[in-house]
Amino acid sequence: DAGVIQSPRHEVTEMGQEVTLRCKPISGHDYLFWYRQTMMRGLELLIYFNNNVPIDDSGMPEDRFSAKMPNASFSTLKIQPSEPRDSAVYFCASSWTGGLGYTFGSGTRLTVV
Amino acid sequence: AQTVTQSQPEMSVQEAETVTLSCTYDTSESNYYLFWYKQPPSRQMILVIRQEAYKQQNATENRFSVNFQKAAKSFSLKISDSQLGDTAMYFCAFMKHGNYGGSQGNLIFGKGTKLSVKP
Repeated sequence: DAGVIQSPRHEVTEMGQEVTLRCKPISGHDYLFWYRQTMMRGLELLIYFNNNVPIDDSGMPEDRFSAKMPNASFSTLKIQPSEPRDSAVYFCASSWTGGLGYTFGSGTRLTVV
Repeated sequence: AQTVTQSQPEMSVQEAETVTLSCTYDTSESNYYLFWYKQPPSRQMILVIRQEAYKQQNATENRFSVNFQKAAKSFSLKISDSQLGDTAMYFCAFMKHGNYGGSQGNLIFGKGTKLSVKP
């Protein structure tokens, strides 16, 4: 298995632009999580899905952030419009009911200038 | 709400020596899981070891072992025979036990401990 695949690995964009981060979970996993990592706040859960349905989006910072999971093998996290304070590493992770612990992707480092 | 605290922002150890990283947590749950994740400079999050709260025996994985003290809500990680490749951020994490077994919901992370192994 190729693991959790995230793209792009790095993204540099200008303030005000739309940014879309992508994630492919491990086949057969029914949970998908989006985390954000910053020096100040550490690892924060943004949203998670179970069987493609959003379960908890209380960590999404504001309306500029949205996430979708149209099918079991793909999810996106979109920021529109982006701001410099959104600069962070964004991780996707997947897991399965009955499993113990997550498998993380390699993350997307987002820089908004 | 659950919280995870790692009180040591940075630590260093000489190669081949032993080091212990501390973690405490707060929860009202009786069934849960605890984890240690490693994040090397490549930024990949790697599961090091996990502990099920209902198991009294401390988990071990090769050079890595934990000291789980449920009453004290303490979960420390011991790394024996430290190697240069152990240099990384180490995160302690908590997860509730699911209604159908296994884990449920999200991992709650501590702020991490930066470990440097010196030659």
